[in-house]
Amino acid sequence: EAGVAQSPRYKIIEKRQSVAFWCNPISGHATLYWYQQILGQGPKLLIQFQNNGVVDDSQLPKDRFSAERLKGVDSTLKIQPAKLEDSAVYLCASSLDITGGYTFGSGTRLTVV
Amino acid sequence: GQNIDQPTEMTATEGAIVQINCTYQTSGFNGLFWYQQHAGEAPTFLSYNVLDGLEEKGRFSSFLSRSKGYSYLLLKELQMKDSASYLCAGARGNYQLIWGAGTKLIIKP
Repeated sequence: EAGVAQSPRYKIIEKRQSVAFWCNPISGHATLYWYQQILGQGPKLLIQFQNNGVVDDSQLPKDRFSAERLKGVDSTLKIQPAKLEDSAVYLCASSLDITGGYTFGSGTRLTVV
Repeated sequence: GQNIDQPTEMTATEGAIVQINCTYQTSGFNGLFWYQQHAGEAPTFLSYNVLDGLEEKGRFSSFLSRSKGYSYLLLKELQMKDSASYLCAGARGNYQLIWGAGTKLIIKP
């Protein structure tokens, strides 16, 4: 089966600019997650979708971050405006059920300068 | 509260055995995951324990004690390619994982 697809792989932007990331989960996986991983730390959940509904976005900085999953398949995560501390890897993951764990995409490495 | 603790870094020798410990406190506990993450890559699934005891998969084994809030990942016959970070994550309801910061494992020849 195809894995979780993410793009772009790398992105460098200046602070106060905006950026968008795209994710296409494994076919049939209803649950989709966006994580932020800062170097040397574990992944931090930003938002979790179940189909096209939001299950948890309690740690999403909603003043600058937004995410959507229209039609319950692929998803986009946007940052507007970006700050230096947003420099991180943004990981998308999907899951079918809890026993199989998550399958992660290759991530987008964002550098804000 | 939710908390996952694991050592920051460990060093081991090629061919040896290493045990990476993880302690957790998560409400609504629904199992414990281990993931491997090579530098610059995404985490990949290693194991999932929901019942107490040892699960073995080739050179890797994972153990869980729910009463103690404790798990470990055991790696045998270490190879240089096992140099990576190992992430412990506790599962709770709604298919959510609470992640530790990861243990960086350095393998020396």
